[in-house]
Amino acid sequence: AQSVTQPDIHITVSEGASLELRCNYSYGATPYLFWYVQSPGQGLQLLLKYFSGDTLVQGIKGFEAEFKRSQSSFNLRKPSVHWSDAAEYFCAVGARYNTDKLIFGTGTRLQVFP
Amino acid sequence: DGGITQSPKYLFRKEGQNVTLSCEQNLNHDAMYWYRQDPGQGLRLIYYSQIVNDFQKGDIAEGYSVSREKKESFPLTVTSAQKNPTAFYLCASISRQGGLYGYTFGSGTRLTVV
Repeated sequence: AQSVTQPDIHITVSEGASLELRCNYSYGATPYLFWYVQSPGQGLQLLLKYFSGDTLVQGIKGFEAEFKRSQSSFNLRKPSVHWSDAAEYFCAVGARYNTDKLIFGTGTRLQVFP
Repeated sequence: DGGITQSPKYLFRKEGQNVTLSCEQNLNHDAMYWYRQDPGQGLRLIYYSQIVNDFQKGDIAEGYSVSREKKESFPLTVTSAQKNPTAFYLCASISRQGGLYGYTFGSGTRLTVV
């Protein structure tokens, strides 16, 4: 079955610390992978996406993600977290050229302490 | 600026009522989607439409209905058959050109049953 797992429901970090949010997927076809961020009461904003090529993808707001096919993972990283990064983060997977739907993980809520 | 507009931002429904959530986009995107978001469950697909006058059920379509009479508009009706409609509803759209797609989300409608 196709699925996305975000094992960490809630993560707390200090401002300035590094961050890694985990995402594992199960998908039969070549995956098209996304990370989105959601502030409270708002829609989702695309941070970055991967569909082919270099497995290290740069996104907005200083985020990056690395696709590891052997581990079926697409973890999101940031070297130094800012208080404004506090939000909920969603990983999603879809099929390239098939826009029927994306499968979303259940999200990871990030809390940042000053 | 182009984007997706969802209205209203907050909506209250009495038991047994039908309510309609509006979603309008001026991005000239082909496909539009409705997702439901509940705490701890990520996003679940309700309905989607890839072209005008055509739409398909998603994973949780029961108790919902949609129409796609215009490319720009994809309203969602929550019917009285939906037994637990209290949730955050998100509309999204994508362009299918080139296969390099990414969802654009609206800012959501929070529906509460009173």
